[in-house]
Amino acid sequence: GAGVSQSPRYKVAKRGQDVALRCDPISGHVSLFWYQQALGQGPEFLTYFQNEAQLDKSGLPSDRFFAERPEGSVSTLKIQRTQQEDSAVYLCASSLSRQGEAFFGQGTRLTVV
Amino acid sequence: AQSVTQPDIHITVSEGASLELRCNYSYGATPYLFWYVQSPGQGLQLLLKYFSGDTLVQGIKGFEAEFKRSQSSFNLRKPSVHWSDAAEYFCAVGEYNTDKLIFGTGTRLQVFP
Repeated sequence: GAGVSQSPRYKVAKRGQDVALRCDPISGHVSLFWYQQALGQGPEFLTYFQNEAQLDKSGLPSDRFFAERPEGSVSTLKIQRTQQEDSAVYLCASSLSRQGEAFFGQGTRLTVV
Repeated sequence: AQSVTQPDIHITVSEGASLELRCNYSYGATPYLFWYVQSPGQGLQLLLKYFSGDTLVQGIKGFEAEFKRSQSSFNLRKPSVHWSDAAEYFCAVGEYNTDKLIFGTGTRLQVFP
């Protein structure tokens, strides 16, 4: 596609529910990143893939967070047993190569009630 | 640890006035530096980046930024602001070995006619 696509755009989850957020990167982009942006804050790094390999997951806040990119294209960020503090915008970005320009999607706004 | 500080949370300028948004970073080596803009409901868009070489970098939409190693700063400037520049601006530093971005907390720009 023309840009990074994320779905859904908005998600309301009840506390304790599991959610899955999808990211379709730009075709051919090798690197894929997930960031979490809390209200009024800058994005914070969650995890990074190079093709299907998850090279860095140091930013995942707990073992309730899990990301995958099994075929090196589409990625899914899964949050188990959601908590209120998980409410944020989740941004996905992709780049053609290492240290290439990162293109961001519009994000998924997750609200946990 | 690497960090980015944007000391101004909110700036208001008149249309046609000049603009400078401040950014200070803490990083052990020569950093990769970026400025992104985020309009409401939109993803982050790259304005400009500094990797090496000329310390004054030109970006899109008439923006420029100057890397000053002695001051650990990378301030964003525009000589004449347009109403459409109203948005949130984020400064970020990129890590060499992981490619992840570390963002500041952002500066919200408001433009009055």
